[in-house]
Amino acid sequence: GAGVSQSPRYKVAKRGQDVALRCDPISGHVSLFWYQQALGQGPEFLTYFQNEAQLDKSGLPSDRFFAERPEGSVSTLKIQRTQQEDSAVYLCASSFLRGTQYFGPGTRLTVL
Amino acid sequence: GQQVMQIPQYQHVQEGEDFTTYCNSSTTLSNIQWYKQRPGGHPVFLIQLVKSGEVKKQKRLTFQFGEAKKNSSLHITATQTTDVGTYFCAGKSNFGNEKLTFGTGTRLTIIP
Repeated sequence: GAGVSQSPRYKVAKRGQDVALRCDPISGHVSLFWYQQALGQGPEFLTYFQNEAQLDKSGLPSDRFFAERPEGSVSTLKIQRTQQEDSAVYLCASSFLRGTQYFGPGTRLTVL
Repeated sequence: GQQVMQIPQYQHVQEGEDFTTYCNSSTTLSNIQWYKQRPGGHPVFLIQLVKSGEVKKQKRLTFQFGEAKKNSSLHITATQTTDVGTYFCAGKSNFGNEKLTFGTGTRLTIIP
């Protein structure tokens, strides 16, 4: 079956631009997670949803970061007024409730 | 907040030699998971350990969870070139929150 998909795979933005990153979880997975992975580092938690409810957003680095999952399936991570320090790979993962997290290929964001 | 450290940061071994990475959490974990990330790839789930003192094996890989549920290790016997990648441990701090706190990772390279 299909795994987690993310789009776009690569995004180049000029500093100050807004970006939107999409995640399509595995069908039937209740939980959806966003992580940020800087070069040479481990993934760092940003936020997670159970169905459409955002249960934890403690990892979002600033109020420029916003995530939504309005129908409990596809999720979008939006970054407003991008800064150079936002450059990273953004990973999405999904799971059954309290199950194994399966990761998508990530979106590599480069802010110039 | 919770921190998860791994040592060593890098490990270069001759093909056929053994490899071990160690993971230490600043807080007690409900469970610990191990992921492998190939260069340019995304984290791929290897295994989950839940019980204090648990040991699990997958072919040449042996995983251990410490008695205090604060540390873990991954041992690979007779490494092969296909073992190349970065190995991350990732812990869940309690049963209510599903977010993973990833370790700093150990990057394994194999000298043929």
